[in-house]
Amino acid sequence: AQSVTQPDIHITVSEGASLELRCNYSYGATPYLFWYVQSPGQGLQLLLKYFSGDTLVQGIKGFEAEFKRSQSSFNLRKPSVHWSDAAEYFCAVGPTGGGNKLTFGTGTQLKVEL
Amino acid sequence: EAGVTQFPSHSVIEKGQTVTLRCDPISGHDNLYWYRRVMGKEIKFLLHFVKESKQDESGMPNNRFLAERTGGTYSTLKVQPAELEDSGVYFCASSRQGHLLEKLFFGSGTQLSVL
Repeated sequence: AQSVTQPDIHITVSEGASLELRCNYSYGATPYLFWYVQSPGQGLQLLLKYFSGDTLVQGIKGFEAEFKRSQSSFNLRKPSVHWSDAAEYFCAVGPTGGGNKLTFGTGTQLKVEL
Repeated sequence: EAGVTQFPSHSVIEKGQTVTLRCDPISGHDNLYWYRRVMGKEIKFLLHFVKESKQDESGMPNNRFLAERTGGTYSTLKVQPAELEDSGVYFCASSRQGHLLEKLFFGSGTQLSVL
């Protein structure tokens, strides 16, 4: 069965600092990989996704993520965090065989200090 | 384009009562999904509709949960009778096609508290 681990429940960074949120997955093959963000009172919004090809993917709001097959990881990064990035971030995997059933991690709550 | 709409946004009920959650997907989206997040845990898949048919209901916890999508438009998720462990945030999502290559649009969720 596939699973996703987000080891950091809470992270606090200063505005302007760099950010890296960790995500490790367990899956029989290379899955489809996603990062979603949920801001207070909002629905989950897709930041970026990896299906194949270039292992460094660019997303919205200046985020990027790198797929590392050898480490089964898909860490999310941003070079300079803005106060508006404070939110909860979810890593998710999906089967490559079809369907749209996502398996999510437990989420990482990001706090940004001004 | 209007997004996925869920209501109520919050519901507080007592154990043993019945609650019905509603989801209005984006117009034209045949695929509708329900997910749930119990506090502090991961967001878990509940079920998937294609139009009015249940494509995959493998994530439904037990027979106290009943999901419907009459006419292939909006969907309801009824919990009867509610138990304490049903508390959490219930998310609905929709997409035009049922493949991960297709973007999934999520609603803002219904926060259910069972006391």
